[in-house]
Amino acid sequence: AQSVTQLGSHVSVSEGALVLLRCNYSSSVPPYLFWYVQYPNQGLQLLLKYTSAATLVKGINGFEAEFKKSETSFHLTKPSAHMSDAAEYFCAVSGAIQGAQKLVFGQGTRLTINP
Amino acid sequence: GAVVSQHPSWVICKSGTSVKIECRSLDFQATTMFWYRQFPKQSLMLMATSNEGSKATYEQGVEKDKFLINHASLTLSTLTVTSAHPEDSSFYICSTGTGSISPSNPQHFGDGTRLSIL
Repeated sequence: AQSVTQLGSHVSVSEGALVLLRCNYSSSVPPYLFWYVQYPNQGLQLLLKYTSAATLVKGINGFEAEFKKSETSFHLTKPSAHMSDAAEYFCAVSGAIQGAQKLVFGQGTRLTINP
Repeated sequence: GAVVSQHPSWVICKSGTSVKIECRSLDFQATTMFWYRQFPKQSLMLMATSNEGSKATYEQGVEKDKFLINHASLTLSTLTVTSAHPEDSSFYICSTGTGSISPSNPQHFGDGTRLSIL
């Protein structure tokens, strides 16, 4: 089976500071990894995805994530936080063993930006 | 623009009634759609995979007679919560697969439906 663990249910940073949201995965097959963002009372918006083409993946809104197989990690970073980044962030994994496109989500990390 | 449209965004109804939620794929034909449930401050839980022209595949523990899914066209899937009770109150989100059916293709999500049963 596949699983995702997001370390830290709540992360708080100051505006302009580095954002680091942690995600570790478990998968018996090569994983496909995704980061999604959810604003209050809305669905999920794709930030970026890893599909084995490159280990460093750049996404929207200045976010990027690096796939590290040795650490089974896919942490999300942004060099300088903006107030508009405050939201819930979900890491997710999919793979052939689950059926095409079925996603398993992590528990989510709520990002708060302090002025 | 929005790829997936979900309606209604918010519904309040009395216990015992049935509620239908629609999920429309706006930009492409979706042979597969997914229905999730999200409790407050929690992650998304996959309820079922909706397949166009065939029966939905339900996840373990999800009552298929309680949560009826219909995917009669390539652009529309519906979730009906039958005889809803307060414990069914939740945030329901649909999503569609994109492009070919492949685990590397991301899903696009609707904006969700907040269901409150009184």
